[in-house]
Amino acid sequence: AQTVTQSQPEMSVQEAETVTLSCTYDTSENNYYLFWYKQPPSRQMILVIRQEAYKQQNATENRFSVNFQKAAKSFSLKISDSQLGDTAMYFCAFTLRNTPLVFGKGTRLSVIA
Amino acid sequence: GAVVSQHPSWVICKSGTSVKIECRSLDFQATTMFWYRQFPKQSLMLMATSNEGSKATYEQGVEKDKFLINHASLTLSTLTVTSAHPEDSSFYICSARGQESTDTQYFGPGTRLTVL
Repeated sequence: AQTVTQSQPEMSVQEAETVTLSCTYDTSENNYYLFWYKQPPSRQMILVIRQEAYKQQNATENRFSVNFQKAAKSFSLKISDSQLGDTAMYFCAFTLRNTPLVFGKGTRLSVIA
Repeated sequence: GAVVSQHPSWVICKSGTSVKIECRSLDFQATTMFWYRQFPKQSLMLMATSNEGSKATYEQGVEKDKFLINHASLTLSTLTVTSAHPEDSSFYICSARGQESTDTQYFGPGTRLTVL
């Protein structure tokens, strides 16, 4: 079975600074997909970024980028120029084709003014 | 695009009654929908997976007779909590995956259920 581990329960960052959230996963499969979802206080789950395992290039979405290390089974999220609106729970998730998402336990990020 | 709605956003009911929660994909056809439960300050726990026109597949430990799931069309799935008890109080979230995707799920805004 696949597992996802987020080792940082809570983190904080100053506004405009950069922060990196860690995620590791365990799988014996070769083709899979990785995601970061954001859950702000409204509790709406928002897709932040998606990575296909067969693509070596790291995915980026504006201020959000990932460092995907397939051999190390690591998938960290970097948030640049942090904004107050980035305050949220961040969940790392894993899936194979046509299977449900497997979530980590989440990292609570606080952006401080 | 890829908008999922849930109704109601919150509901309070008496113990012993049944509650139905609707999940709709507004701008795409969802071949697969998922229902999650989330306790405060915890991650999402998958309850069941439903494919349009088929019976739902429940995760281990989830009572299928208590949490009835119907996925009758490509845009609508419902979760009915039958004979609700206070321990069923929780935040329920649905998500949907479209015909053109085998991996990405889009989430509804969630429903807060309180059973008195």
